[in-house]
Amino acid sequence: KAGVTQTPRYLIKTRGQQVTLSCSPISGHRSVSWYQQTPGQGLQFLFEYFSETQRNKGNFPGRFSGRQFSNSRSEMNVSTLELGDSALYLCASSAAGGFGELFFGEGSRLTVL
Amino acid sequence: KQEVTQIPAALSVPEGENLVLNCSFTDSAIYNLQWFRQDPGKGLTSLLLIQSSQREQTSGRLNASLDKSSGRSTLYIAASQPGDSATYLCAVRPQSNSGYALNFGKGTSLLVTP
Repeated sequence: KAGVTQTPRYLIKTRGQQVTLSCSPISGHRSVSWYQQTPGQGLQFLFEYFSETQRNKGNFPGRFSGRQFSNSRSEMNVSTLELGDSALYLCASSAAGGFGELFFGEGSRLTVL
Repeated sequence: KQEVTQIPAALSVPEGENLVLNCSFTDSAIYNLQWFRQDPGKGLTSLLLIQSSQREQTSGRLNASLDKSSGRSTLYIAASQPGDSATYLCAVRPQSNSGYALNFGKGTSLLVTP
């Protein structure tokens, strides 16, 4: 069974640009959540989607957005990039209505110059 | 707001030792608790999931316990090996409406020396 797949794995952007990250959950998992990981703040929750609906959003500015498609694949978008957006962005999926065990992908490493 | 604390922040032990990693949380109203391991530059690997009604879970050389009333969990690693070197993260899922999000600790960085 394939795990959670995230693309791209690495990317470099400049300030002011926008970026889109993609996540394919484990087959059959309808809940997808996104986390930002930085050395200073650790892991912080961005948002969670279930059956194309955003159920919860973390404390991030509106520049961070996401969506989920009917096949449960998810994308997150960051507009007007800032230096502080440099981080590892992790996607996770779970079964059991989203309350089950969380399985993470390898992450997308974003560097903003 | 749920706060999750992991002690120690870093730990170095010789190969073969048994060790305990600690995790504490401030709000006992949790749905479950999950332990992860993270290798440098990689994603998180799930190790153990403990439901709020459970006291412990075991997988191979790993044993995790949960004392919800005192807000504590421990991860016991038996007969440590150099391959166990990684950062170990504890995360709780609250019972509140924000239960869709996990609250993570900052992790314990473990180094097992040959």
